[in-house]
Amino acid sequence: DQQVKQNSPSLSVQEGRISILNCDYTNSMFDYFLWYKKYPAEGPTFLISISSIKDKNEDGRFTVFLNKSAKHLSLHIVPSQPGDSAVYFCAASPNAGNNRKLIWGLGTSLAVNP
Amino acid sequence: GAGVSQSPRYKVAKRGQDVALRCDPISGHVSLFWYQQALGQGPEFLTYFQNEAQLDKSGLPSDRFFAERPEGSVSTLKIQRTQQEDSAVYLCASSLRPDVSGANVLTFGAGSRLTVL
Repeated sequence: DQQVKQNSPSLSVQEGRISILNCDYTNSMFDYFLWYKKYPAEGPTFLISISSIKDKNEDGRFTVFLNKSAKHLSLHIVPSQPGDSAVYFCAASPNAGNNRKLIWGLGTSLAVNP
Repeated sequence: GAGVSQSPRYKVAKRGQDVALRCDPISGHVSLFWYQQALGQGPEFLTYFQNEAQLDKSGLPSDRFFAERPEGSVSTLKIQRTQQEDSAVYLCASSLRPDVSGANVLTFGAGSRLTVL
């Protein structure tokens, strides 16, 4: 049973518009959430994280929102650029720094069209 | 080096063969992780080293899988008597601090894609 779910396998967005990638989790013990980005033939690259004590974290064009009661988080990319085209993985852990317990979603493939 | 380096990038093995996958982490990184990523899946944890000590091998799927990091830098993941279900991308990641608490971002290598025929 998937504890971290990314229900949209793919998403297509026009350049300049907002991309919204969603992630749901089932385990209430998860306390720390991360987004990684992966280009073909490369390893995942850390993008942004959020602790459960916050509901929002922003880094440039990237913002992650966390709704603990709904067990839902989302990554917003504004404005989207063609270079953002990649697979985005949501991951969750019981606490920050516990990469051994990281549970990953299946990923969402984002295509940003010029 | 500047990043995490893995070799070989691609490996094709016949069922029953032994394979060895190498990971060269970022110099000075204390923590080293191995993950397995099957097609269409997210990475799954295999094993963790803090310097040369293998502190967690709970994710290794069977005793055919063995990992070592004898001098606390380069690590090797060995798979004996490979099976078709071992086909996956094997990702290595390193991080600066021990995997205990506080944000500890992973830097991943590009992975080694293993295909077992």
